[in-house]
Amino acid sequence: DSGVTQTPKHLITATGQRVTLRCSPRSGDLSVYWYQQSLDQGLQFLIQYYNGEERAKGNILERFSAQQFPDLHSELNLSSLELGDSALYFCASSATSSLLVLFFGQGTRLTVV
Amino acid sequence: TQLLEQSPQFLSIQEGENLTVYCNSSSVFSSLQWYRQEPGEGPVLLVTVVTGGEVKKLKRLTFQFGDARKDSSLHITAAQPGDTGLYLCAGDHRDTGNQFYFGTGTSLTVIP
Repeated sequence: DSGVTQTPKHLITATGQRVTLRCSPRSGDLSVYWYQQSLDQGLQFLIQYYNGEERAKGNILERFSAQQFPDLHSELNLSSLELGDSALYFCASSATSSLLVLFFGQGTRLTVV
Repeated sequence: TQLLEQSPQFLSIQEGENLTVYCNSSSVFSSLQWYRQEPGEGPVLLVTVVTGGEVKKLKRLTFQFGDARKDSSLHITAAQPGDTGLYLCAGDHRDTGNQFYFGTGTSLTVIP
């Protein structure tokens, strides 16, 4: 158990819909990272938050957005969903340290039909 | 474009064989990590290497960081079915604001 909690574990939704994925980081970790993992793209970095503020942005589509709340949990919002958005979405957290170590949640499997 | 390229992409070997997985980049990383991911789970950290030329051993797994800190290798001795999984290298790339990049992954299957 990494200490990172993601909900829901599975999500099936239709094209054009909007969903919200939730992540609770490990106790004390200020940084939250979101990754998308699909079969043909590997693990792609989407976005990072640190203590409520956006720290780094990767290959995140404009239809996707995220935020980190004062209690440090984070949400990833995916809108106008397309079939190609079907993937595993992982959240990871890290402690504040010069050496970066990521602890991953179990992921949310999103299926867009 | 992938910052970290892993090879081979797929590997299927018999129990007891040795294998090496490579992680290569043209960029310098301040640290590099190896993760293992099992189906339906998130990646789990195996090791972190920081110093160029560093070698770390974890039971039957040996990790090496290249002298120039651009590449790494993972060697498994006498592979066992429990080693089956997706192996991912990941690098801390200071130039991009401390982003953490993952490699393309190596899917290992060890056949009993």
